[in-house]
Amino acid sequence: DTGVSQDPRHKITKRGQNVTFRCDPISEHNRLYWYRQTLGQGPEFLTYFQNEAQLEKSRLLSDRFSAERPKGSFSTLEIQRTEQGDSAMYLCASSTGTGFNQPQHFGDGTRLSIL
Amino acid sequence: GDSVTQMEGPVTLSEEAFLTINCTYTATGYPSLFWYVQYPGEGLQLLLKATKADDKGSNKGFEATYRKETTSFHLEKGSVQVSDSAVYFCALIFVPGNQFYFGTGTSLTVIP
Repeated sequence: DTGVSQDPRHKITKRGQNVTFRCDPISEHNRLYWYRQTLGQGPEFLTYFQNEAQLEKSRLLSDRFSAERPKGSFSTLEIQRTEQGDSAMYLCASSTGTGFNQPQHFGDGTRLSIL
Repeated sequence: GDSVTQMEGPVTLSEEAFLTINCTYTATGYPSLFWYVQYPGEGLQLLLKATKADDKGSNKGFEATYRKETTSFHLEKGSVQVSDSAVYFCALIFVPGNQFYFGTGTSLTVIP
């Protein structure tokens, strides 16, 4: 169990640029989740995948955000035309099973800073 | 809408003190309830959970009971240690809807 891995750890970019983050879940985990966390707040759910299928998206996930998990393993989260308000920590988590009572294993996150 | 309200911090306690961190929720159904913990420099990890009313989750000396009548899931520990210093997040998962809600987190510092 090597844990959930996220890349990069930090990303600094100018407003209007596109950014892409990667998440590698624990290998046998079929569920993968994306969250956004701002300072002093708890994680906010963005979306989750069951294998390669994206089953739920939060209203927070605007049209500028897109997530994929093409082969049911790693996932990418892309933000197009970044805005100041996108500055946050983006967390990925994974879990096993088909229910929601299994513990989610979190990565260390990607911190995005928009200049 | 569904949400979680968590006791504001920061909380500072002396070693061996009793800890309570309050968590209440608003949900139209019967969610599953969780406490996650984030130790300094580490990622979030599950501390304990309860999936139905009157269930008690416990781990590492921490306990929380799912109280449907008061819509609460307060975290307690009888005697805290310095190593318990961390940020604690209450969370709920509500199905159907498949939405996940976390509280704002409560920072705990335990001093020797």
